[in-house]
Amino acid sequence: EDQVTQSPEALRLQEGESSSLNCSYTVSGLRGLFWYRQDPGKGPEFLFTLYSAGEEKEKERLKATLTKKESFLHITAPKPEDSATYLCAVQGSSNTGKLIFGQGTTLQVKP
Amino acid sequence: SAVISQKPSRDICQRGTSLTIQCQVDSQVTMMFWYRQQPGQSLTLIATANQGSEATYESGFVIDKFPISRPNLTFSTLTVSNMSPEDSSIYLCSVDSRLAGVTDTQYFGPGTRLTVL
Repeated sequence: EDQVTQSPEALRLQEGESSSLNCSYTVSGLRGLFWYRQDPGKGPEFLFTLYSAGEEKEKERLKATLTKKESFLHITAPKPEDSATYLCAVQGSSNTGKLIFGQGTTLQVKP
Repeated sequence: SAVISQKPSRDICQRGTSLTIQCQVDSQVTMMFWYRQQPGQSLTLIATANQGSEATYESGFVIDKFPISRPNLTFSTLTVSNMSPEDSSIYLCSVDSRLAGVTDTQYFGPGTRLTVL
């Protein structure tokens, strides 16, 4: 069964304190791994799609990496506006488009 | 990226009633999906809305409870029928943008926050 586990559940950082969020996955034939940001009361905002092990993508202070078993979202020198819940999801090889989501990591960045 | 709107943005409903949620996309898309996000939980797929045919439901979700329509490539509705307090959730529409030439990226609407009393 396809499964996604994110850690930690919650993370509190000081502004400028870099860290990483983890997404471990089990899927039959990875078609893509997705990272989203979700602010309270809003829908998930797309950040990255990673397709194969070794791939990396960057956007401002965020960098996503992928191995055969997990993905990391690295946050460099975070700012308070980076506070949000970060969701990881995988899509298997069935080509149905279905995403399996993890529980998310809630990040709080204090000034 | 696709721009997705949902109506209503939120509603408070009485037990036993039904609510229809609309999802409108600003471009034609191949695949549209409906997800549920229960309080404090992550997203769970309810069904895939297929244009011109019946929706494909995930395990634990049935058509009588969550009827879905998809009359064209830019619009879909989800009805939550005979509601109970357990149906209180955020309902999210998403689209797969592969028709736009970018494969396998899903974009989400702003969500509909439903409270059932």
